[in-house]
Amino acid sequence: DQQVKQNSPSLSVQEGRISILNCDYTNSMFDYFLWYKKYPAEGPTFLISISSIKDKNEDGRFTVFLNKSAKHLSLHIVPSQPGDSAVYFCAASGSRGSYIPTFGRGTSLIVHP
Amino acid sequence: DTGVSQNPRHKITKRGQNVTFRCDPISEHNRLYWYRQTLGQGPEFLTYFQNEAQLEKSRLLSDRFSAERPKGSFSTLEIQRTEQGDSAMYLCASPTGAGNTIYFGEGSWLTVV
Repeated sequence: DQQVKQNSPSLSVQEGRISILNCDYTNSMFDYFLWYKKYPAEGPTFLISISSIKDKNEDGRFTVFLNKSAKHLSLHIVPSQPGDSAVYFCAASGSRGSYIPTFGRGTSLIVHP
Repeated sequence: DTGVSQNPRHKITKRGQNVTFRCDPISEHNRLYWYRQTLGQGPEFLTYFQNEAQLEKSRLLSDRFSAERPKGSFSTLEIQRTEQGDSAMYLCASPTGAGNTIYFGEGSWLTVV
């Protein structure tokens, strides 16, 4: 039973446009959400996070939106750059679970020049 | 550089052999996590340490797997009698401070032939 779902295995975007990566979760105990970026043969790199007390968090070109009622979050990358091409993982954790993040299966983003 | 160091980075072993991976986490942090990642999947939780105590283990961690964290510093993950299904990237992660974000090392690739 997947508690964190990324339903789009891949996404293709033109350089300079917006990339929107989506994530849904089922466990209402999750209260902290993270996005990671991963290149082949490397460990995941932390990008941005959001606590359930917020609905938006922004860091440079990256913005994460959280809709708690829908149990949905999204990562917006604006403007997208070819170097953003990677696999993006959504993760969620809860304060009652020793903050052990549960990950989605990832979305492969390709940004075309 | 996340400050989480893993070695070896790559290991090729014959089926039935034992392998051990080492993780040196961000110093002074008491939480340490092990994850496994296979192709097409997100990182899957294996086990979690708080100082030297192993507090949680996933059902993925069969009896052929053992993890230790002596003295609450570095950690080792040993796989005995390796099987081809153990081929994966093994990831170690640690938070940087009191926050809930975990940072991954570069990972250790295991190929069982």
